[in-house]
Amino acid sequence: AQTVTQSQPEMSVQEAETVTLSCTYDTSESNYYLFWYKQPPSRQMILVIRQEAYKQQNATENRFSVNFQKAAKSFSLKISDSQLGDTAMYFCPGRPTGANSKLTFGKGITLSVRP
Amino acid sequence: DAGVTQSPTHLIKTRGQHVTLRCSPISGHKSVSWYQQVLGQGPQFIFQYYEKEERGRGNFPDRFSARQFPNYSSELNVNALLLGDSALYLCASSSGRGNEQYFGPGTRLTVT
Repeated sequence: AQTVTQSQPEMSVQEAETVTLSCTYDTSESNYYLFWYKQPPSRQMILVIRQEAYKQQNATENRFSVNFQKAAKSFSLKISDSQLGDTAMYFCPGRPTGANSKLTFGKGITLSVRP
Repeated sequence: DAGVTQSPTHLIKTRGQHVTLRCSPISGHKSVSWYQQVLGQGPQFIFQYYEKEERGRGNFPDRFSARQFPNYSSELNVNALLLGDSALYLCASSSGRGNEQYFGPGTRLTVT
């Protein structure tokens, strides 16, 4: 079984600044994928970035980067140069690497970007 | 390329009724998953289908059922609706080879 914990229910950041969202992923699996999805007020779930647990290099996608610490079960998302369009709920689901395995979600973090 | 599509967008039903939600995956994707998202919570896994076979089932009652068609589209059926079934129902598709899941816009179901 997998457990995702997002302990910060809400965060706020000034436009153009940097913010880090925290997440922990607890699993007995030795290999797995982790993702960050954003869900804006439209409620469309949008994939932001993906990390494979066996890769030591942290994933980066434009203004978004992750800090994955496997031993600590930590998987944080850093958003640089925050934009108003980043305002959304953020989820960090994970799943084992076996084909067709389900995503396990936490409760999410609401991020507000202030103008 | 078209993304995942879902229909209808919104639906209002009465307790005890039946509902069918539909999903069309991204072209070339053979796996479809269904999730229920109650307001203020993260999505909860309901079903996963790959190549028309059920590959996973979440902790939902037997009132929930699903199927996948030869063209890889899928239906989620819910019988004997309860007030607690009110939620956003999300469909996600993937290639089924350990890749990312891409979500549709969801169907917002309200049970009165």
